[in-house]
Order: sequence, then C-alpha cells, then structure tokens
Amino acid sequence: DADVTQTPRNRITKTGKRIMLECSQTKGHDRMYWYRQDPGLGLRLIYYSFDVKDINKGEISDGYSVSRQAQAKFSLSLESAIPNQTALYFCATTGGTSGAGTDTQYFGPGTRLTVL
Amino acid sequence: GESVGLHLPTLSVQEGDNSIINCAYSNSASDYFIWYKQESGKGPQFIIDIRSNMDKRQGQRVTVLLNKTVKHLSLQIAATQPGDSAVYFCAENENGGSNYKLTFGKGTLLTVNP
Repeated sequence: DADVTQTPRNRITKTGKRIMLECSQTKGHDRMYWYRQDPGLGLRLIYYSFDVKDINKGEISDGYSVSRQAQAKFSLSLESAIPNQTALYFCATTGGTSGAGTDTQYFGPGTRLTVL
Repeated sequence: GESVGLHLPTLSVQEGDNSIINCAYSNSASDYFIWYKQESGKGPQFIIDIRSNMDKRQGQRVTVLLNKTVKHLSLQIAATQPGDSAVYFCAENENGGSNYKLTFGKGTLLTVNP
C-alpha cells in the first residue's frame, strides 16, 4: 500500500550497530504499529503508538525502541543489533474513517533486515 | 494465553476451483476479525473483515464465515486464480473496542496450480 512507506527496504548490518527503520503514512491515521515477521512465527507486535504522545510496548519490545516524531512518522531503532533480530519488519497504521473499518490495519511493504 | 491459529499450514488447489482457508480462535471476547493476503516480498494486504454480530460477509470472489459457537473463521475464495497464490493470515482484535491490537495467526500458504 503506497500510503504506508518504509525505508530502507533492505539492510544488511553487523552485530552491535545501531539501526533505524523509518515509517511514514499519508492515510491520516493516528495509530501506528511495528511488527516483525519470522518464518513459522507469524507477525509479532514490537511497539505501537495511538498518538504522538502515546508509546506502548508490544509482546517483543526488548532490544528495540521507537520514536513517534509526528502523526505521520513512526521510527523503530535497534540500539545494538544482534543476529537474532534478522527478520522482516513491517509498519502498520489504523484509524480514521476510510477503508474497511477503523480497526483495519494497513501495512507497509516491509524492511528486510539482516544482522551479521 | 489465548491465540489465533490455523488448521492447515498449506493448501494446494487447481485453477478455477474454490478454496477454503480455515482459522480457529480461542478468545471468546474477540469481536472483530480480518483476513490478510501476503504475496512474496510484500506486506500483508487487507482482504475482508467481519464483526462478531455477523456470521457471513461477502466481497469480490471472497466470503468470510464466522461461527462463534465453535470459534471458527473461514475464508472462501471462488474460482481461484494463479494470482491468489499467497500466504493468508487471519487476525483478531483482542478487545474489540479501544485497543485495536491485532493477534495474528501464523498463516496458510495457498498454491494455485494452472
């Protein structure tokens, strides 16, 4: 969905490096989410934010931090990357009155992160 | 804890046949369910949703059925096409009101043979 963009799309980094993944949305949604996807484990919630001043931990927040710079921007940081953080990372948004419903989450195209 | 799961991890069908993908959920408080399609290299894409006050909802070539008695959700795809090949996820809303956090199943891989 072009309304939700993620950068970079692919990233290879080394253990111990700090990495930031960016997410931007033009849907006007107030709620934003970060997930990671691993084979056989599905999508797991890392952090979510219901508005600019609201940040909440998901089920697997250890080793990650986030920043909600504006309603349209939600960044995910890996403070010191480790190999088991190799995964696909997805940003999602929800809210507003357009689309299928206010609960429907719309996903970005994903970032493939490899930590060596 | 309560979870959402899928009965079949893989499904292979012939082009033109109907496909049925199943999902079991255990949280009786869930009141909103979504089906997503994820093609290789892409993010999950919304297909159809249903609320717990309904037992059936139809879209274009897709139908979602909800059986609250047995906590079962299914996605039916009519006249399956090669472009339908993807992983399909069901998801549930945990609180159904002010929360908006979704719990996802692990996915079913649908392969459409020409």
